Amino acid sequence: DAKTTQPPSMDCAEGRAANLPCNHSTISGNEYVYWYRQIHSQGPQYIIHGLKNNETNEMASLIITEDRKSSTLILPHATLRDTAVYYCIVRVYGSGNTGKLIFGQGTTLQVKP
Amino acid sequence: DVKVTQSSRYLVKRTGEKVFLECVQDMDHENMFWYRQDPGLGLRLIYFSYDVKMKEKGDIPEGYSVSREKKERFSLILESASTNQTSMYLCASTSGGQWGLSIDTQYFGPGTRLTVL
Repeated sequence: DAKTTQPPSMDCAEGRAANLPCNHSTISGNEYVYWYRQIHSQGPQYIIHGLKNNETNEMASLIITEDRKSSTLILPHATLRDTAVYYCIVRVYGSGNTGKLIFGQGTTLQVKP
Repeated sequence: DVKVTQSSRYLVKRTGEKVFLECVQDMDHENMFWYRQDPGLGLRLIYFSYDVKMKEKGDIPEGYSVSREKKERFSLILESASTNQTSMYLCASTSGGQWGLSIDTQYFGPGTRLTVL
């Protein structure tokens, strides 16, 4: 199973872009990179996922390097409500291809006014 | 709007009690999951189910059992609660059958914070 490495914490000024890095050097060709976040006392929330192309949705952008060994989640204009733990996850195929997600320690993003 | 609900946000039980945690999803999802989350350990998978009456052990199934009698409901059972089962329990669901390439997102419930005294 591919594992991910993230910095434990980051700060970002409100209104600025937050760039959260993730290393996944052992990722396999058919594994996707997912990002979730967890706001305090809530369940995790899906943000975005990608295979090898850059992706963008209403919440964030995902930039994956050409060798796929690392990626960056970008929140273009961070707000105080974006303060959360952000998890970078590489999706593995467990028994019966049920898509078990392995959550690491994540990055605690603190958005400051 | 998709929704995963859990029966309680906070629960306090005594050692040795039988504990039921209920999870219901309204998205007609095939797959459902139970995780526990502990400080410094992240989320760990306890059990999952890819169909009614089907279940698979996750990474830490010891001390737990599950039940999936209806597609929308997945129950986690602590047969005899112990203090080391004090944790945040999270339920999740996702679409996709057992043999499909299920790359859909997992939707999580709000969590149940269980304290075993």
